[in-house]
Amino acid sequence: DTGVSQDPRHKITKRGQNVTFRCDPISEHNRLYWYRQTLGQGPEFLTYFQNEAQLEKSRLLSDRFSAERPKGSFSTLEIQRTEQGDSAMYLCASSPTGAGMNTEAFFGQGTRLTVV
Amino acid sequence: DAKTTQPPSMDCAEGRAANLPCNHSTISGNEYVYWYRQIHSQGPQYIIHGLKNNETNEMASLIITEDRKSSTLILPHATLRDTAVYYCIVRVKGGANNLFFGTGTRLTVIP
Repeated sequence: DTGVSQDPRHKITKRGQNVTFRCDPISEHNRLYWYRQTLGQGPEFLTYFQNEAQLEKSRLLSDRFSAERPKGSFSTLEIQRTEQGDSAMYLCASSPTGAGMNTEAFFGQGTRLTVV
Repeated sequence: DAKTTQPPSMDCAEGRAANLPCNHSTISGNEYVYWYRQIHSQGPQYIIHGLKNNETNEMASLIITEDRKSSTLILPHATLRDTAVYYCIVRVKGGANNLFFGTGTRLTVIP
């Protein structure tokens, strides 16, 4: 296991289309996070899961966005009816939990979405 | 989580120490200082964290002032590969990683 894997790395889509991204976390990590990053800005938190439960959603996560982690392993982030403002890098991260453990997040390389 | 203030950019000569400051004057007693960096086109990478004592690992040193209102990340011998955006974040250890990154400091290491 070499780290957090995201697919695809790049996606170009036409406005109004739906897109889905996948994230495979580090296998023993039960927490999984999605972030969005626009040019010149730091990553912004979108949502996180502990196992299959989605525990927190940012106000940035509009109704057009949905994230799932059905079996507590990989996760998908879907954007429906994409808009040009959705163009960004979408980052996935994972971390372990447990007393005494380092719980730092490990990030994937991201999926760069361009909406034309 | 408390907010942080960092300079937008810094330059450092290759081989010299890079000292990146961070102000976190509203930090709470149970909040740690974390540093991440993001090299161009990659995801953020964890560097180091600390509560009140100075910390050192293979990547960097972290110096936290006695009043904990500010800290400095030190890269002892900067290389060109250290060119990145460095983010200072304060958060409760063990909490969910809904990290607030801010805009960070863009460090450029100059040959």
